[in-house]
Order: sequence, then structure tokens, then C-alpha cells
Amino acid sequence: DAMVIQNPRYQVTQFGKPVTLSCSQTLNHNVMYWYQQKSSQAPKLLFHYYDKDFNNEADTPDNFQSRRPNTSFCFLDIRSPGLGDAAMYLCATSRYLGRDFSYNEQFFGPGTRLTVL
Amino acid sequence: AQSVTQLGSHVSVSEGALVLLRCNYSSSVPPYLFWYVQYPNQGLQLLLKYTTGATLVKGINGFEAEFKKSETSFHLTKPSAHMSDATEYFCAVSDLGPINTGTASKLTFGTGTRLQVTL
Repeated sequence: DAMVIQNPRYQVTQFGKPVTLSCSQTLNHNVMYWYQQKSSQAPKLLFHYYDKDFNNEADTPDNFQSRRPNTSFCFLDIRSPGLGDAAMYLCATSRYLGRDFSYNEQFFGPGTRLTVL
Repeated sequence: AQSVTQLGSHVSVSEGALVLLRCNYSSSVPPYLFWYVQYPNQGLQLLLKYTTGATLVKGINGFEAEFKKSETSFHLTKPSAHMSDATEYFCAVSDLGPINTGTASKLTFGTGTRLQVTL
């Protein structure tokens, strides 16, 4: 089945120790998104890739970076995790053909729960 | 800018009773509207969506929602609640995206409603 896969499902890191979260998709979608979701809150968009074009949200901290080496994979790098970065990180994908051709149904992975000690 | 308001962060119903989760949106253009469900420690799963056409949309697990432009609402309903429905629900609105700028359209989520189902 076509899907969005996130690894690992649970990640524990230490304060200040860089960590990388992984997302892959078999949907061949051209857009990939990273969201941060803290406990009992709505998902907050960090950034997205439209093909190879990286789009950062204005309020995303510099501590968060992303890479998309190919269509299928996207990585979230947290350079120096703080206690406030503990959250569920959700990857999503969509097929965007332009504003006149597509609405933004997004397909989500199961998420990676990050714990910062 | 678009926004979504979900009235009631927690809703409790009895098993077999009607489920009504409220969602109001603000959008300067005709909206695309979505309801997602999230089970504990899981990603978001699409329940249903409204894009164009029929304003009453049916989704999975017996849920449906009606788009009411005059009320800027997209409330989620289910005639008879089941224990397995107890989880978190998010309403979302999508913009159309800019033209030829290398960015895609985005979802704006409400703050979520946790549904509790009691015996």
C-alpha cells in the first residue's frame, strides 16, 4: 500500500544533542510537510518542500532545518534540541498541481514522538 | 489569512447518542475544508473533505459534515456514537496556494476537540 513512513516512531535525545527524524513516502507526491504537534495542541507547520523548493514558515526557529535529497525522502534536523522541542513531529505529503487544479489533501505519517532529556 | 475555530475542546456524549463537533472557519476565498481524526500516538487520518459541489459530505466511520457558507460552518456529525469514536478531531481549512511561486497550498488547523464517549 502507498504510504507515508516515519522513522523512528519514538526518539529520545539529550538536551543540545543534534537529532534527525526521517520521513519517506511511496505516494510519489511532490510536496512534503513537517509539522510540530505539542501535547493537546493543533499541528503547527514548520516548513514544506514543493518539489525541491524549500519553504520555511516565518516563525520556525533556526534550530530546525530540513533536507529533501529526492522525491521520496525528507529529513528534519534539530540542531540543538531544547526541552521545549519535545513534541510529536508529523510528516505529511500531498500532490499539488497548482492553485487551479488541486486542493490540499494531505496524507500523514504516524509521527515521531521526540523526548528531550 | 484563514483561520478555524473549534468550539469546545472537549465534548462528551453517551454511546448511541448524536455526535456534533463544531467548526467555524474564516476565509477570504471559497474554502476547502477537512476533518481529520487522530488516535493516540498516531498521525492524522482524513475523515472527510469538502471541495466543491454537494454541501453535505460523507466520510468514513459513519461521519458526515455539512458546509454552510452563510454560517461559515463545517460541523461534523455522527448519528450514533460508538466507544471507538473517542479520540481527537481536527477541523482544517486549505488555501489555494499562490501562483507559480514554488510554494504549495497549506492547511490551517483548529485546536482540536477531544470526544469522550460514555456508557
